[in-house]
Amino acid sequence: KAGVTQTPRYLIKTRGQQVTLSCSPISGHRSVSWYQQTPGQGLQFLFEYFSETQRNKGNFPGRFSGRQFSNSRSEMNVSTLELGDSALYLCASSLVPSGSGSGELFFGEGSRLTVL
Amino acid sequence: GQQVMQIPQYQHVQEGEDFTTYCNSSTTLSNIQWYKQRPGGHPVFLIQLVKSGEVKKQKRLTFQFGEAKKNSSLHITATQTTDVGTYFCAGFHFSGGYNKLIFGAGTRLAVHP
Repeated sequence: KAGVTQTPRYLIKTRGQQVTLSCSPISGHRSVSWYQQTPGQGLQFLFEYFSETQRNKGNFPGRFSGRQFSNSRSEMNVSTLELGDSALYLCASSLVPSGSGSGELFFGEGSRLTVL
Repeated sequence: GQQVMQIPQYQHVQEGEDFTTYCNSSTTLSNIQWYKQRPGGHPVFLIQLVKSGEVKKQKRLTFQFGEAKKNSSLHITATQTTDVGTYFCAGFHFSGGYNKLIFGAGTRLAVHP
C-alpha cells in the first residue's frame, strides 16, 4: 500500500512569490491535514479537509489556503511568501476526520520550502 | 485556547538509561496519541490511548493516560541509539461539537553510546 506522497520535496522561492504544494493520501483515506513544522515550533496545524470540505482551520493568515479534490488529493497554496514561511510542510492522511476524536495520522515526507 | 504542554523540550541520556516525556493538557482530552519523528524524517504514529488510567506497552516503551485524561507520559526503558528522535503527544480536545487534534511541542531525545 503506497504511503502519503508529497510533491515537491524541496523548493526555493523568493519573497512575494506564491507556492503550491501537493499531497496524495493513502488510498481510501478521505481526510487530509496540513501542518507547518519549524525548528522549535513543533507541528502547527494549518487545515483539514474531508470529502472536499474544509473541516478545521488553524491560526494562519489568509495567505495560506488549501483545497481537496474528489479523488482526495489535496493542495495547499501560500501567496505573497515571507521569509518566515520557510518551513517543512507536512501532509497527513487519515481514514476518518479528526472530528471523530480518533484515527491515526499517516504523514508524508514533507515539502521543505525555503524563502529567500 | 486549548494547549498541550510537553516537557522536557530536550533530553540527552547515556545509552541504557531510562527516559520519560510528559504531556499535560489544560482541558480534558478525548484521546491522546503519540508520534515519533526521527531526525530528517516525518512523524510516525506510535499509539493511541483512550481510557482513563490506561497503560499500554510496546517492548521498552510504556504509555500512560492519566485518570483525569489531562496528562500522559511515555517512558522508555534502557534507551538505545535507535530511540533517537522527537516524541510528540497529540491530544483530541472536544469543543463546539467537534474534536480538534492538538500537538505538543515535542521532546527531542539524544542518546549517547
